[in-house]
Amino acid sequence: EAGVAQSPRYKIIEKRQSVAFWCNPISGHATLYWYQQILGQGPKLLIQFQNNGVVDDSQLPKDRFSAERLKGVDSTLKIQPAKLEDSAVYLCASSFVENTEAFFGQGTRLTVV
Amino acid sequence: AQSVTQLGSHVSVSEGALVLLRCNYSSSVPPYLFWYVQYPNQGLQLLLKYTSAATLVKGINGFEAEFKKSETSFHLTKPSAHMSDAAEYFCAVSDPSNAGGTSYGKLTFGQGTILTVHP
Repeated sequence: EAGVAQSPRYKIIEKRQSVAFWCNPISGHATLYWYQQILGQGPKLLIQFQNNGVVDDSQLPKDRFSAERLKGVDSTLKIQPAKLEDSAVYLCASSFVENTEAFFGQGTRLTVV
Repeated sequence: AQSVTQLGSHVSVSEGALVLLRCNYSSSVPPYLFWYVQYPNQGLQLLLKYTSAATLVKGINGFEAEFKKSETSFHLTKPSAHMSDAAEYFCAVSDPSNAGGTSYGKLTFGQGTILTVHP
């Protein structure tokens, strides 16, 4: 079974530029999560989707971050404009439904310079 | 609000020694608790979970954890460390689902504990 796929693996951008991350969940998984993991900290939930609808985006900095899952399958997370403090690993996770195990991708490491 | 505290950001043990990683939680609802392992440049892998059944939970790779409600703890142990156990470990507590019930993926994580195993 293929796992959660994320791309790119690494990205370096200058502050004030924009960037997008892509996630393809495990086939058939309805629930998708984006987490931000700053170096030395545990992951922090940014947004949760159920199919193509947003369930919880209370911790998403909406002035610069956006996410979508238009067809209820893959998802993109965008930052515009990026700040230095956005440097982190962005993890995507998916689960069959909300009360089943979540599987994590390898993440995208973003460095903002 | 949920919170998790992992005592000790770094733990070092000798190969063959007991591994003990500490986790205390705070939760406004009966918690589900999880331990994840993260190897360098990898995603998170679930080691074990507590979902209100048996308080002693066994996971993969010989790890186990005991839920102690009175102490609000969920410490992770392994009787004998192996070099391959060197990684970062995260304790997490489930957040309430917006739809009611409990979410396995909507989690509040601790800050992590880096385990080093010496030969």
